[in-house]
Amino acid sequence: GESVGLHLPTLSVQEGDNSIINCAYSNSASDYFIWYKQESGKGPQFIIDIRSNMDKRQGQRVTVLLNKTVKHLSLQIAATQPGDSAVYFCAEKGGTSYGKLTFGQGTILTVHP
Amino acid sequence: DGGITQSPKYLFRKEGQNVTLSCEQNLNHDAMYWYRQDPGQGLRLIYYSQIVNDFQKGDIAEGYSVSREKKESFPLTVTSAQKNPTAFYLCASSALRDRGPKGTGELFFGEGSRLTVL
Repeated sequence: GESVGLHLPTLSVQEGDNSIINCAYSNSASDYFIWYKQESGKGPQFIIDIRSNMDKRQGQRVTVLLNKTVKHLSLQIAATQPGDSAVYFCAEKGGTSYGKLTFGQGTILTVHP
Repeated sequence: DGGITQSPKYLFRKEGQNVTLSCEQNLNHDAMYWYRQDPGQGLRLIYYSQIVNDFQKGDIAEGYSVSREKKESFPLTVTSAQKNPTAFYLCASSALRDRGPKGTGELFFGEGSRLTVL
């Protein structure tokens, strides 16, 4: 869930490694989840989403896993590249809150060549 | 191209002054949002609007005001009552309701406006 006033956790990986970014959400009624990528000085960009009736969804080099039992979401990035360096946010949407997302704290991913 | 345009990208303000940040979208989205982002931190919701002439406070609305006179526009005013206004402000929009398998309520963001109080 959202943690106001705390600094972001960081993850450093070597180019070519796989990255796993984790997120805990708070609302058990949330039915839709999104991962966003934010590069420095820019607005967040959509990466991948998943509905609550799924536990896994794959995109190009990215996979999102959803564990509703423990309210946990993860983003896996395969063969991480320097261009993947950014802040990654998870976001959740409650069942009746059309479009109104609650953002997680965010994780800073740094990829070293 | 469809998208969200925020202006200005950079803005400097003296203490005690009100400033207005512009946000325009041509995506025909019903809902629009303003978020604040402080350095090294996540996004916090200031205000949101799901329909013209209506808006609701988010988590940190104090010291801010908005209007929604047109579907395409959702300006944010940072008033002198906002004690710590220096931040990166992000505007977003979304389709209000799911429309078919692609309708998910995903937020589309602008490029942000960086406000610095001198």
